[in-house]
Amino acid sequence: DQQVKQNSPSLSVQEGRISILNCDYTNSMFDYFLWYKKYPAEGPTFLISISSIKDKNEDGRFTVFLNKSAKHLSLHIVPSQPGDSAVYFCAAKGVNDMRFGAGTRLTVKP
Amino acid sequence: DAGITQSPRHKVTETGTPVTLRCHQTENHRYMYWYRQDPGHGLRLIHYSYGVKDTDKGEVSDGYSVSRSKTEDFLLTLESATSSQTSVYFCASQEGLGTYNYGYTFGSGTRLTVV
Repeated sequence: DQQVKQNSPSLSVQEGRISILNCDYTNSMFDYFLWYKKYPAEGPTFLISISSIKDKNEDGRFTVFLNKSAKHLSLHIVPSQPGDSAVYFCAAKGVNDMRFGAGTRLTVKP
Repeated sequence: DAGITQSPRHKVTETGTPVTLRCHQTENHRYMYWYRQDPGHGLRLIHYSYGVKDTDKGEVSDGYSVSRSKTEDFLLTLESATSSQTSVYFCASQEGLGTYNYGYTFGSGTRLTVV
């Protein structure tokens, strides 16, 4: 029962262009959504979050958009840099825990 | 000054043996979590703790137990390891549920192979 889904296992973009990572969820009780970034051999690190009462949150090059009616969120990275190459996990906070998607591997080519 | 350290970083064990993974945090966080990461599944919650001696099951808790005798330490035990428990295990902590961004602090992971 995957309540949080990232349907694209990988994404490749050119340096300087926009990266858009997508995430869908099924549980309407989730009240907070987060994105984590993970490099090989390291643990995930928190990137950006958004409350369910908002539709956009921006932090530098990273913007998260939430569409509650579609149960969809996306992470935009502009401009993309080679150092952004990593696996990105979408997560949704429930009552007692956090559910994660399977991750999307982003490769930013110089 | 790592916030969370996991040990060991790598372990190979035989089927049927008990295994304990350790998580130590220096953040004085109240909440701690154990996740496993598998291809195609992302991170799945095994057990979590909301205080010393207070623990509860996550979505994939069968075959695992946990203990938290001190705020800083959270142990995960595989009672009798099976090949399906081959995975990368991550420990995480969180100051409190009221933390405004709800982000977890993760350890670097333990790669466990059961042969």
